[in-house]
Amino acid sequence: QKEVEQDPGPLSVPEGAIVSLNCTYSNSAFQYFMWYRQYSRKGPELLMYTYSSGNKEDGRFTAQVDKSSKYISLFIRDSQPSDSATYLCAMSTFTGFQKLVFGTGTRLLVSP
Amino acid sequence: DGGITQSPKYLFRKEGQNVTLSCEQNLNHDAMYWYRQDPGQGLRLIYYSQIVNDFQKGDIAEGYSVSREKKESFPLTVTSAQKNPTAFYLCASSMLGTPIQYFGPGTRLTVL
Repeated sequence: QKEVEQDPGPLSVPEGAIVSLNCTYSNSAFQYFMWYRQYSRKGPELLMYTYSSGNKEDGRFTAQVDKSSKYISLFIRDSQPSDSATYLCAMSTFTGFQKLVFGTGTRLLVSP
Repeated sequence: DGGITQSPKYLFRKEGQNVTLSCEQNLNHDAMYWYRQDPGQGLRLIYYSQIVNDFQKGDIAEGYSVSREKKESFPLTVTSAQKNPTAFYLCASSMLGTPIQYFGPGTRLTVL
């Protein structure tokens, strides 16, 4: 079993839809949770990060962490065709060297 | 503008040749990382460095080598010992004490 599981998709939605992207994890020591957006043939771009539990909002994006269920989510409101990309979740414990463990990414397609 | 640059964007190599991928950052970050990305496998850590003149192996270091002579630079050499080097290579950096990593645009290496 992988430490971080993420559905590869693709997830296809119409423009304006609310998108929910999710990751599950098995290591209860994870404290930092990050979401990256990666366009084709480009490097990942940090979207949001949260520490421990709770929600964080930034414009159309909301990140949620449920540590009791070992489940994190990224919500995108009013999705746009420009949101079409692969979304990677990443996690880290808060000990010494901060190694990141990545999900394999979910491909999102937003159609006009 | 602060950021991470990687060169070249595309690289072609014949079997048996060593090649070096460049990574430079002007974010004044202490830590730098090299990842390999293959379809369906997510990002895998090759090497990382927390300070100048020091680096450690990641999860898949065999067939790769690095150096860290300057804070800004962390070049990766893919040697002929790497059995399957065709992949997308990503360089990242972070401040010490935080797991938040920022990525460069990547180098696509193809072995002919």
